[in-house]
Amino acid sequence: DSGVTQTPKHLITATGQRVTLRCSPRSGDLSVYWYQQSLDQGLQFLIQYYNGEERAKGNILERFSAQQFPDLHSELNLSSLELGDSALYFCASSAEGGPGETQYFGPGTRLLVL
Amino acid sequence: AQSVTQLGSHVSVSEGALVLLRCNYSSSVPPYLFWYVQYPNQGLQLLLKYTTGATLVKGINGFEAEFKKSETSFHLTKPSAHMSDAAEYFCAVSDQTGTYKYIFGTGTRLKVLA
Repeated sequence: DSGVTQTPKHLITATGQRVTLRCSPRSGDLSVYWYQQSLDQGLQFLIQYYNGEERAKGNILERFSAQQFPDLHSELNLSSLELGDSALYFCASSAEGGPGETQYFGPGTRLLVL
Repeated sequence: AQSVTQLGSHVSVSEGALVLLRCNYSSSVPPYLFWYVQYPNQGLQLLLKYTTGATLVKGINGFEAEFKKSETSFHLTKPSAHMSDAAEYFCAVSDQTGTYKYIFGTGTRLKVLA
């Protein structure tokens, strides 16, 4: 158990819909990362937050957004969903988001868009 | 920019045989390197990491990896494969442009034959 929790574990929805994925980092970790794992793109970085502030963006679509709340949990919002958004979405946390730090991964949310 | 190449998307070994999973990196600065394992329907678990210091790094479950700067490699090895080692293995390098996000390889699926 990494200490990172993600809900829900599975999500099935239809094209055009909007969903919210939730992540609670390990106790004490200030930095949260979101990654997408798909068969064609592999594991791709989406976005990083540090202590409530956005620190970096990766290959995140404009239809996607995220935030980190004062209690440090984070949410990833996916809207106008398309079939190609079906993937496994991971949240990871680290202490400070600094060099060489281990990122601890949650179990993921598997999204299926029909 | 940093990048990682994993040679061999699928590797099969017999139980008790040597496991060798290859990872080559590209980085213009001293890299931070990681190996993660993903069991079916689970998140990513850190096996080991290299930041600085000793180039031979020992990890969990009997795995180790050697950082070779001259060869830009960080291959993962285990002397004797066990059935429980069957999983997907990811090599990653930490971006050093301020975010320290991970850049993952495409993964190697290890199959252990009885």
